[in-house]
Amino acid sequence: AQKITQTQPGMFVQEKEAVTLDCTYDTSDQSYGLFWYKQPSSGEMIFLIYQGSYDEQNATEGRYSLNFQKARKSANLVISASQLGDSAMYFCAMRANYGGSQGNLIFGKGTKLSVKP
Amino acid sequence: DGGITQSPKYLFRKEGQNVTLSCEQNLNHDAMYWYRQDPGQGLRLIYYSQIVNDFQKGDIAEGYSVSREKKESFPLTVTSAQKNPTAFYLCASIRTHQIQGNQPQHFGDGTRLSIL
Repeated sequence: AQKITQTQPGMFVQEKEAVTLDCTYDTSDQSYGLFWYKQPSSGEMIFLIYQGSYDEQNATEGRYSLNFQKARKSANLVISASQLGDSAMYFCAMRANYGGSQGNLIFGKGTKLSVKP
Repeated sequence: DGGITQSPKYLFRKEGQNVTLSCEQNLNHDAMYWYRQDPGQGLRLIYYSQIVNDFQKGDIAEGYSVSREKKESFPLTVTSAQKNPTAFYLCASIRTHQIQGNQPQHFGDGTRLSIL
């Protein structure tokens, strides 16, 4: 069965510093995608970044980058130059590209990030 | 602007009552999803629909029902059989349920359901 583990229930970071949010996953699939979403206190889910299992380069989107280590089955999110508006819950999710659960997202329990001024 | 509209934003349910949460999208997406989120937890899949007039159970379908009569609409009914319905409910959609590459699921703003 697929599983996403986020081991940091809460994290603090000083404004303008970088922070890494951990995500490990478990799957027997060879083809899959990894996603990070941000959920502010208002509740909406905002897509941040995607990494495909066959992508050789780590994904980057502005201040967000993904440290993808396939052999370790980890996909950590790095936020550079943290801003106060980055305070939110962050979810790692995985999607299999084939098989019975194809297309469905499996979510971790999330990490609550608090940015300190 | 295209997007997903969930209504109402807040909903209260009395004991023994069925309530229906609305989800409408104008993104022309084929696939739609319902998730439940409990405090401090991730999202869990309730039901999904890959195409009109078809839907499948997710991981926690018991006590819920759905319909998909129109491409744009995927309402979720929380029945009286769901004994612990208090949660945040999120609806999502994506162009196709098949191999999707880097397409993310798009989410609505959610409905908070509470027991009276």
